Amino acid sequence: LAKTTQPISMDSYEGQEVNITCSHNNIATNDYITWYQQFPSQGPRFIIQGYKTKVTNEVASLFIPADRKSSTLSLPRVSLSDTAVYYCLVGGMNSGYSTLTFGKGTMLLVSP
Amino acid sequence: EAGVTQFPSHSVIEKGQTVTLRCDPISGHDNLYWYRRVMGKEIKFLLHFVKESKQDESGMPNNRFLAERTGGTYSTLKVQPAELEDSGVYFCASSKVLGQTYEQYFGPGTRLTVT
Repeated sequence: LAKTTQPISMDSYEGQEVNITCSHNNIATNDYITWYQQFPSQGPRFIIQGYKTKVTNEVASLFIPADRKSSTLSLPRVSLSDTAVYYCLVGGMNSGYSTLTFGKGTMLLVSP
Repeated sequence: EAGVTQFPSHSVIEKGQTVTLRCDPISGHDNLYWYRRVMGKEIKFLLHFVKESKQDESGMPNNRFLAERTGGTYSTLKVQPAELEDSGVYFCASSKVLGQTYEQYFGPGTRLTVT
């Protein structure tokens, strides 16, 4: 499984765009990049997943360069409720099923 | 649609006792996963069910842990006998189909404290 490296913590203010970058230098050809969000006392929540280029949904955007050795989760106009831990996960399908390998995550603190 | 539910939300037991955690996945989800986070550590995979079959139990720490999913619906995770190092938060997750997605739906977790 590819190892990921991401900032331990980030601070932001309400209304700003937040970009969290994750490094995954040894990503394999069949690996996907997935981001989860976790609030205190809750289970992780799926945000977005991508393989290459750019993926956008109603919550966030995921930018993946051509070499796929890193990815950036972009949260537009954050609010206080976006304060959470964000996990970058990299993995591929193995024999038709999937398991998640969580790292330490990035603690995002949004202030007024 | 109801989410993944877990029971109890918190359990405090003494070392040597037995505890059973329950997980009810989202209806129709064949895949059920157990994860746990022990104090100060990362969330770790324990095992994966497809319906009632154990697809992967490589993350189970030792034979004091027993997971079941009779009938392919809810699942239980029994710890017997519990040790101090078993303290942590146990998460259950489910997903509907496997394919090109890592989207799993997590429950709120059960916080287990072994004293």
